[in-house]
Amino acid sequence: KQEVTQIPAALSVPEGENLVLNCSFTDSAIYNLQWFRQDPGKGLTSLLLIQSSQREQTSGRLNASLDKSSGRSTLYIAASQPGDSATYLCAVMAHYKLSFGAGTTVTVRA
Amino acid sequence: NAGVTQTPKFRVLKTGQSMTLLCAQDMNHEYMYWYRQDPGMGLRLIHYSVGEGTTAKGEVPDGYNVSRLKKQNFLLGLESAAPSQTSVYFCASSKSLAGANYEQYFGPGTRLTVT
Repeated sequence: KQEVTQIPAALSVPEGENLVLNCSFTDSAIYNLQWFRQDPGKGLTSLLLIQSSQREQTSGRLNASLDKSSGRSTLYIAASQPGDSATYLCAVMAHYKLSFGAGTTVTVRA
Repeated sequence: NAGVTQTPKFRVLKTGQSMTLLCAQDMNHEYMYWYRQDPGMGLRLIHYSVGEGTTAKGEVPDGYNVSRLKKQNFLLGLESAAPSQTSVYFCASSKSLAGANYEQYFGPGTRLTVT
């Protein structure tokens, strides 16, 4: 069974600092990995999707890396802003099933 | 283009009552999913559908039934609600399971409380 872990569960940083969010998974036979953002009381917004054959994906201030062999992905958010405050979830696609981590709740202090 | 919509947004049920949650998508996606999200846990897949008229069990299907009579709609039913089904329910859809089109799009969620 695929287990997805996100550490830490919560993170608080001052504005302008770079954010590093970690995701690890137990079954390396994944098809892809997706990072989502969830605002309180809201649904999930897809941020980045990395195919298993890719090493990283970039979108604006966001960069996600994938190391399938070690079962890890990292989401980098450069120059954080208070608007980046949210919960960030990673999800891996394996065996036609999307498995989610519990998320990292980020607070960016102005 | 509304994307994925869910009805209702909130609901309170008494134990033993039944209800149906409706999910609709206007992106002509083949695949649709129902998840539940509980505090401190990731989303868990309840049921999913790979096309009109087909459904399959996910990770936590007990106590739920689903139907996909039309491609754009995916219904989640609770026949006899239990307090353990208090959760936030999310519907999602995707064009396919493989390739660049896999990305799942999520609805805003339904917050259900069973007393």
